[in-house]
Amino acid sequence: ELKVEQNPLFLSMQEGKNYTIYCNYSTTSDRLYWYRQDPGKSLESLFVLLSNGAVKQEGRLMASLDTKARLSTLHITAAVHDLSATYFCAVGGNTGTASKLTFGTGTRLQVTL
Amino acid sequence: DAGVIQSPRHEVTEMGQEVTLRCKPISGHDYLFWYRQTMMRGLELLIYFNNNVPIDDSGMPEDRFSAKMPNASFSTLKIQPSEPRDSAVYFCASSTTTANYGYTFGSGTRLTVV
Repeated sequence: ELKVEQNPLFLSMQEGKNYTIYCNYSTTSDRLYWYRQDPGKSLESLFVLLSNGAVKQEGRLMASLDTKARLSTLHITAAVHDLSATYFCAVGGNTGTASKLTFGTGTRLQVTL
Repeated sequence: DAGVIQSPRHEVTEMGQEVTLRCKPISGHDYLFWYRQTMMRGLELLIYFNNNVPIDDSGMPEDRFSAKMPNASFSTLKIQPSEPRDSAVYFCASSTTTANYGYTFGSGTRLTVV
């Protein structure tokens, strides 16, 4: 059974600081997705990583995927308050088609002034 | 496109009553997923369909839960009878065959069973 672990579970950081969220998974997969969820809201797609070595960047967020290490990272650069939310990684299948997503526990990010 | 549309947004019902949640996927998406989110268990896949056919229902908690997809533009998740432990946010999501652009989630239905 696929297991997806995120750490940390909770992250309090000051504006302007950098930090990284880690997502480890237990079985082979080359598809990993990052989502953002604001309180009481739905999941918003941030990044789609489809191959080993994939790197995507949007604003202050950058995601990468190492399929050999079964690890994805979400790096936050110079955090701002608007980034406060819960971030989930989700691992898909290995067949090139859509399949069930297994989600991590989420990392609740709080950016303080 | 209006995205994945779920209804109702909120549902409060009494224990023992039947509850039906509805989902309209994005046109052209041939995969549809039902997820449940709770504080204790996080996001869990309940069931997913491909071209209206259920592929994996191993996440459906018990026989009280059933899901259908009578056509490409509509799916329902039914709970009968409902119990307080079914209280959660239920999300519907859809994707293309390759999922190369990710999975799009609906706004969710917040279910409260009292």
